[in-house]
Amino acid sequence: GAVVSQHPSWVICKSGTSVKIECRSLDFQATTMFWYRQFPKQSLMLMATSNEGSKATYEQGVEKDKFLINHASLTLSTLTVTSAHPEDSSFYICSAPVTGGEAFFGQGTRLTVV
Amino acid sequence: GESVGLHLPTLSVQEGDNSIINCAYSNSASDYFIWYKQESGKGPQFIIDIRSNMDKRQGQRVTVLLNKTVKHLSLQIAATQPGDSAVYFCAEMAGNTPLVFGKGTRLSVIA
Repeated sequence: GAVVSQHPSWVICKSGTSVKIECRSLDFQATTMFWYRQFPKQSLMLMATSNEGSKATYEQGVEKDKFLINHASLTLSTLTVTSAHPEDSSFYICSAPVTGGEAFFGQGTRLTVV
Repeated sequence: GESVGLHLPTLSVQEGDNSIINCAYSNSASDYFIWYKQESGKGPQFIIDIRSNMDKRQGQRVTVLLNKTVKHLSLQIAATQPGDSAVYFCAEMAGNTPLVFGKGTRLSVIA
């Protein structure tokens, strides 16, 4: 099946710094990718839709200037958490839909801001 | 807004028994549903899907049932094994919109 690779799998950063998370579709092209955030013992909440070659679409309540999304190619989307704070600590997961509607997920990135 | 929810947040099952995990959805326009399994610290793993033109689909040891009349989805796992212990999410999609996830049910298999 389709493979989505996410990197890094975990990262610890200092408050105020920025962190970049990469999401790659390894064996298919993804014009659209989705970024989710998951807090402990909660479900996945959609943050934004990443569109190749155009601006990302953010869900209500998600700060676009804080969570920068770049989808420069058909196989790579990046999420940059800028000026990270402890409350940004979470599990970030990307997904890419394939033909037929199914979505494949990356392994997730555990972000801890100290 | 529309949401997908689960009836049971936790489920404990004896090894070898069958498990049933339920999910209620509220978006009548949803036409595609997926069950995912998520182990601790990992991303969701696809288990089985079903489209709205079907009411039942079977996979290996798993069966998904869809009742559009009452907007209910269930996942049945036969002969539950310790490796099935995880959090299970149902997710729905309407057209090309992003997946909307339910709250999750933690399945705990007792050996």
